Amino acid sequence: QPVLTQPPSASASLGASVTLTCTLSSGYSNYKVDWYQQRPGKGPRFVMRVGTGGIVGSKGDGIPDRFSVLGSGLNRYLTIKNIQEEDESDYHCGADHGSGSNFGVVFGGGTKLTVL
Amino acid sequence: EVQLVESGGGLVQPGGSLRLSCAASGFTFSSYAMSWVRQAPGKGLEWVSAISGSGGSTYYADSVKGRFTISRDNSKNTLYLQMNSLRAEDTAVYYCAKLTMIVVVITDNWFDPWGQGTLVTVSS
Repeated sequence: QPVLTQPPSASASLGASVTLTCTLSSGYSNYKVDWYQQRPGKGPRFVMRVGTGGIVGSKGDGIPDRFSVLGSGLNRYLTIKNIQEEDESDYHCGADHGSGSNFGVVFGGGTKLTVL
Repeated sequence: EVQLVESGGGLVQPGGSLRLSCAASGFTFSSYAMSWVRQAPGKGLEWVSAISGSGGSTYYADSVKGRFTISRDNSKNTLYLQMNSLRAEDTAVYYCAKLTMIVVVITDNWFDPWGQGTLVTVSS
């Protein structure tokens, strides 16, 4: 099964841009990844799915145009432009794998985004 | 508006049991697969289990296989997680989440939306 690696923290100034990275383990370069935003004390919220061709399907409800994704090699990126205070959250990436009885979902450790 | 409301969490001793519920509204419950995902205090997300829209197919993480049972009552629009032989490492906030398809194992299926979670604490 794939392993997803995320840096534990990131920071950006108000109005700036930031790119968060989710790295798949070797051999899983064709996998798609889902990004989830989790504000303090809240349940996660779907942002969007990304593959090597970019976004898959649509963004989650209420996700602003400032959020975009890109996929390259083993990396799946979430970029947030014109960062706002409400973007300060934990961002998790996840990927499903397997079929039948060996189906599963794995998540990265999450990246805590601080807005300065 | 789609809503998922978990309940049933609480403090339980190691070896004990607990049943979580997730009341769904705002969509045709039987048309979507559902899942449980947990988050230990200060940690990342961990997928626990999933079930198809009909309830005929179920899937579990290795860490809970044989101890937890996922089920659903489509007449009551409710998802359940029966947790037996609980361990300290099961302590977490448990979230229910709706999948985007009726089956679990299918391409382009993700968790959307999620509930607010219910806290399970396993301690003596």
